[in-house]
Amino acid sequence: EIVLTQSPGTLSLSPGERATLSCRASQIIFGSYLAWCQQKPGQAPRLLIYGASNRATGIPDRFSGSGSGTDFTLTISRLEPEDFAVYYCQQYGNSPWTFGQGTKVEIK
Amino acid sequence: QVQLQESGPGLVKPSQTLSLTCTVSGDSSSSGSYFWSWIRQPTGKGLEWIGHIHTSGSTNYNPSLKSRLTISVDTSKNQFSLRLSSVTAADTAVYYCARVSSNWPREDHWGQGTLVTVSS
Repeated sequence: EIVLTQSPGTLSLSPGERATLSCRASQIIFGSYLAWCQQKPGQAPRLLIYGASNRATGIPDRFSGSGSGTDFTLTISRLEPEDFAVYYCQQYGNSPWTFGQGTKVEIK
Repeated sequence: QVQLQESGPGLVKPSQTLSLTCTVSGDSSSSGSYFWSWIRQPTGKGLEWIGHIHTSGSTNYNPSLKSRLTISVDTSKNQFSLRLSSVTAADTAVYYCARVSSNWPREDHWGQGTLVTVSS
């Protein structure tokens, strides 16, 4: 089973700042099948990025993903008030699919 | 617009079987290629992938749950289901169903989630 480790656990930033979230895998993820999703309190997660770097339908271009192999990054170029949430990475290239433990982006 | 809705008991007794159904509307579940998925989230904790059934009928389960788990799909009813046997308090969580496209581009549609509590 691939273990995904996200860092930092919490990121305290102000609106307008840049957020950089990391996701490290315990082994190479086949096909760079790595996704990022956003979850707000009381809501279901929402897909942001798939295939490491592809934005899902309707996702603003301030969200970008990069990486390959075992190291992946989600970048939010300029934080909007609605971006403060918990972010999870998920690998779906190897069975079983797994999630990281999440990074909370909070208002500083 | 595709919508998913979980349904089932909100309270299950220990050692019994947890059964949930996800109903898909706004699209035909008999077309396209998808992973019909279940994910859960204990209160205040992270997401755990439970498993899925592909349109082809193949299943893929979380090894930690595999011995207790069955996921099935009924395309004629636009529904898919989860059965988890011999539950304990550790199975208390919000359970989400999701439809994940298996072709490119990936598209996910999630239900709103349903809280299932395991307690006597």
